[in-house]
Order: sequence, then structure tokens, then C-alpha cells
Amino acid sequence: EIVMTQSPATLSVSPGERVTLSCRASQSVSNNLAWYQQKPGQAPRLLIFGASARATGIPARFSGSGSGTEFTLTISSLQSEDFAVYYCQQYNDWPPLFTFGGGTKVEIK
Amino acid sequence: QVQLQESGPGLVKTSETLSLTCTVSGGSINNFYWSWIRQPPGKGLEWIGYISYNGNTDYNPSFKSRVTISLDTSKSHFSLKLTSVTAADTAVYFCARDSQITDAFAIWGQGTMVTVSS
Repeated sequence: EIVMTQSPATLSVSPGERVTLSCRASQSVSNNLAWYQQKPGQAPRLLIFGASARATGIPARFSGSGSGTEFTLTISSLQSEDFAVYYCQQYNDWPPLFTFGGGTKVEIK
Repeated sequence: QVQLQESGPGLVKTSETLSLTCTVSGGSINNFYWSWIRQPPGKGLEWIGYISYNGNTDYNPSFKSRVTISLDTSKSHFSLKLTSVTAADTAVYFCARDSQITDAFAIWGQGTMVTVSS
């Protein structure tokens, strides 16, 4: 099983700040890495797939980078609606065993 | 616009079988990979397994002996059965789907809370 580790667990930031979230895989997942945003009481929403491609309707302030085992999600200027929990997920494993990171909570400072 | 909607009992007794259905609307069920994912209260996400449009299944080994996912194309829904449940199976259960351009989970249902209790 590929273990996904996210850091930090919690990030306290002010609106307008630049935010960088990290995700590390226990072995290479190539670029088969997705990022999701989840708000309380809601399903996760796909933000980024293929490590760097924005999903439909996702604002340009969200960007993803990395490959292999190290990945980053950057929010260029945090908006009020961006306070949420962010998960990374790999979909590289075969036979398929899709695994998620433990999440990073972005909270208001 | 494709939408997914989970349904099923919100309370299941310990040692019994959890059964949920995900109804697909606004699009065909005859393509893509259809997954179940769960999230215990206050915790992270765990993939349970999927069924493909042609009926092939793959399951998380953590569930393999207890889980069955099936597809009913005539009713545009797919289902989850999880046997011998315990309190550890208490969670919000989501159904989800990939897309034509990614294997990531592009579309999600809203989720349904299932509590396991004696």
C-alpha cells in the first residue's frame, strides 16, 4: 500500500496570504496525484488531477506541482471560501488501491 | 450534469450487513469506474472499491473478505454490501466516479451517514 503523508496537519492563515500544502508518497506515483477540497458536511471536490491540471471550474489561484513522491498544492491568495480541509490522493497503484493523505486543515488565523 | 445520490439505512446493527445504493442521474452508467469511499466521523477518506462499466471489480484488501460492489445498468445504480459490520464501520459513505480525462474522483455523491450499533 502506498502511504500518503500530508503536512502540516493544520495551517492558520489570513485571507490574501499565499498557502503551500505538501504531500509525500511512500513510493513513486508518477504524476497520478489528485487534490481535493472538503468543507464541513460536504463531499470532497476535485481541485487538481495529474498533479498539476485544474479540474473544471477550479479558479486559477489553485495550482499543483510535483511528481514521483513529492507534491505541492499552492493557493496564491487565500479567499474566505478556501478555508477547508485539503486531501491528496494517489491513483497510481496497481492492482488499484487508491489511498488518501490524512488531510491539511486550512483555518483562519 | 451527472449527479450521484446515495441511499440506504442510516442505522445498521452490529454483525449485520450494510447495504447502500448509489443512483446515477443525468448521464450514462455504461462507462467509467464507480467507487465507494468512506469517512469515519472526524477522520480521513478511505477507498473501499470500485466496479467498472463492464462489471469488473477491485476492492481495498482491508475490506476484501466483507465487501461486494454490484452494478445494475437497467436501474442506473450501483450498490455496496459490507458484511459483519462493527462500530468501526460507522462512517459517511460516498459514491464517486472518475471522468473521461482522469482516474481521480471527479464526481461525488453528497454522502450518507451510516451508524453501526447494537
